[in-house]
Amino acid sequence: SQQGEEDPQALSIQEGENATMNCSYKTSINNLQWYRQNSGRGLVHLILIRSNEREKHSGRLRVTLDTSKKSSSLLITASRAADTASYFCATPPMQTSGSRLTFGEGTQLTVNP
Amino acid sequence: SQTIHQWPATLVQPVGSPLSLECTVEGTSNPNLYWYRQAAGRGLQLLFYSVGIGQISSEVPQNLSASRPQDRQFILSSKKLLLSDSGFYLCAWSTDRYNSPLHFGNGTRLTVT
Repeated sequence: SQQGEEDPQALSIQEGENATMNCSYKTSINNLQWYRQNSGRGLVHLILIRSNEREKHSGRLRVTLDTSKKSSSLLITASRAADTASYFCATPPMQTSGSRLTFGEGTQLTVNP
Repeated sequence: SQTIHQWPATLVQPVGSPLSLECTVEGTSNPNLYWYRQAAGRGLQLLFYSVGIGQISSEVPQNLSASRPQDRQFILSSKKLLLSDSGFYLCAWSTDRYNSPLHFGNGTRLTVT
């Protein structure tokens, strides 16, 4: 079963606008990760936020985590056409080693030039 | 730097034929290795993971098997493919540290006809 669920399933914006994607999960987590997938390619790790963190930044990316609501959001500021991709949240199982991540269904982001 | 190679990139196989997909990692030792499957427009499903040579854990019962004959080699196999085995297969590696992100290959698009 899927741990994370992204919302919306698809998002279309104009270049320069901000894009916000949300992720909800069901069970307690140690960390939450966001990945990007260009069409027909493998996933690329973007950012990891730990359960004791509320916000994290990396370049034009801003991730928030609300463990009380079991939700996270990914904000991409000043979007570019090259940001067009699918974005996934993923969580590892608690109290185990390794990275057996459970992925959500993803948000398909289209940035129109 | 570490790299991950997956081949072939695309594969069309008839129902009932065997399958062998290979994944190799360079630039790191004793990685954790993973096979994921992605249905069209969907999230990723973990199929197998391995923490060492000959150590394979299966996440879901299926028509597939995995082997790890060498430290940095991970093979996904089937003796007889089913139509439902079609999909996008992704290999990934991580270190054995908790919170280690996954690093993905570029995937194999398998179509069973």
